[in-house]
Amino acid sequence: EPEVTQTPSHQVTQMGQEVILRCVPISNHLYFYWYRQILGQKVEFLVSFYNNEISEKSEIFDDQFSVERPDGSNFTLKIRSTKLEDSAMYFCASSEEGIGNQPQHFGDGTRLSIL
Amino acid sequence: GDSVTQMEGPVTLSEEAFLTINCTYTATGYPSLFWYVQYPGEGLQLLLKATKADDKGSNKGFEATYRKETTSFHLEKGSVQVSDSAVYFCALRNNFNKFYFGSGTKLNVKP
Repeated sequence: EPEVTQTPSHQVTQMGQEVILRCVPISNHLYFYWYRQILGQKVEFLVSFYNNEISEKSEIFDDQFSVERPDGSNFTLKIRSTKLEDSAMYFCASSEEGIGNQPQHFGDGTRLSIL
Repeated sequence: GDSVTQMEGPVTLSEEAFLTINCTYTATGYPSLFWYVQYPGEGLQLLLKATKADDKGSNKGFEATYRKETTSFHLEKGSVQVSDSAVYFCALRNNFNKFYFGSGTKLNVKP
């Protein structure tokens, strides 16, 4: 069964550094998402992306964050200047064309640790 | 706005006990409803779904029925196993393709 893949599985970065998290969504999916989950807390929506543009973003997704689909397969989340509170699991998800009954499929996540 | 509310955990049960995790939602229109499961150290996996009123989603012995009259989608399992220990998330997808997740309910099953 096709999967969403994320790399790396664990990223350790110094505070203030830029970090790029990578995702390869399922190939025929058109909607892409990033979520984060701070340890032991709820899954928080960051951003959704469709047709090469952001379709929705949360208040968490400030100017430090950006997303990009640089080619036909990758979907990246960039944090320009990381803060300690950015430490979390980051999950990428994708879903098929916007038919209401289609679920999101999640990757296994990237654990981001900011030192 | 649209939202999902689920019971707080943790829920601790003995093996073979009956499980219910409550989930209610607020949404305009006709959302699709989902349960996701997160095992320790892993990502979210789709457990089951229901796309219209009175639909019952089922998988791995888990069931949930889409109840429009009570705006609920409670997760049930007749006999839990230790391997069911995980965090369970209720979610909806509304007519604008937005997803909303509940806060998650941690289930601990003891042998």
